[in-house]
Amino acid sequence: GAGVSQTPSNKVTEKGKYVELRCDPISGHTALYWYRQSLGQGPEFLIYFQGTGAADDSGLPNDRFFAVRPEGSVSTLKIQRTERGDSAVYLCASSPQNGNIQYFGAGTRLSVL
Amino acid sequence: AQSVAQPEDQVNVAEGNPLTVKCTYSVSGNPYLFWYVQYPNRGLQFLLKYITGDNLVKGSYGFEAEFNKSQTSFHLKKPSALVSDSALYFCAVRDSNSGYALNFGKGTSLLVTP
Repeated sequence: GAGVSQTPSNKVTEKGKYVELRCDPISGHTALYWYRQSLGQGPEFLIYFQGTGAADDSGLPNDRFFAVRPEGSVSTLKIQRTERGDSAVYLCASSPQNGNIQYFGAGTRLSVL
Repeated sequence: AQSVAQPEDQVNVAEGNPLTVKCTYSVSGNPYLFWYVQYPNRGLQFLLKYITGDNLVKGSYGFEAEFNKSQTSFHLKKPSALVSDSALYFCAVRDSNSGYALNFGKGTSLLVTP
């Protein structure tokens, strides 16, 4: 079946602009996660949804970052007033309810110029 | 707090030889441990996990890992390396006491030469 889908695969924006990154999880997966991977580093946790609600948003770096999952499926990560330091690959993962394995998408590479 | 250490930035091994990629962890509760592999411009692919049970875990593509509680380690192993195993490998831990977020190591680049 289809895996986790992330769009766009690449996004180039200018400092100060607003961006939205989309994640379409595996069908039926209730849990959804966002991570950020900077060059040469492992992924860092941002936020976790169980259904429509954010169960853990402790990894969001500041209030410029926000994520939604209004219908419990597709999620959008929103970044306001982007900064050059936001440049990274943003990874989305999903898992079944009570599942331990997180399945990752290919990521969105964000470049802030 | 939970953390993962991958002490080697790169591991080089000749094709056909055994390989080991090291991982140590720190958690306050019981560890849930994972290995993922990342190929260039692709997402992370799950290899194997340890939740409970046998300390030796077998996973995809002939990989296995051994959970050692006393040494707080979860090293990835393969008896005979392939050139196609060359990739970036990440160890990750989740603490049974603190939610579902995975804490990843910084990764180890594996290079298998013909």
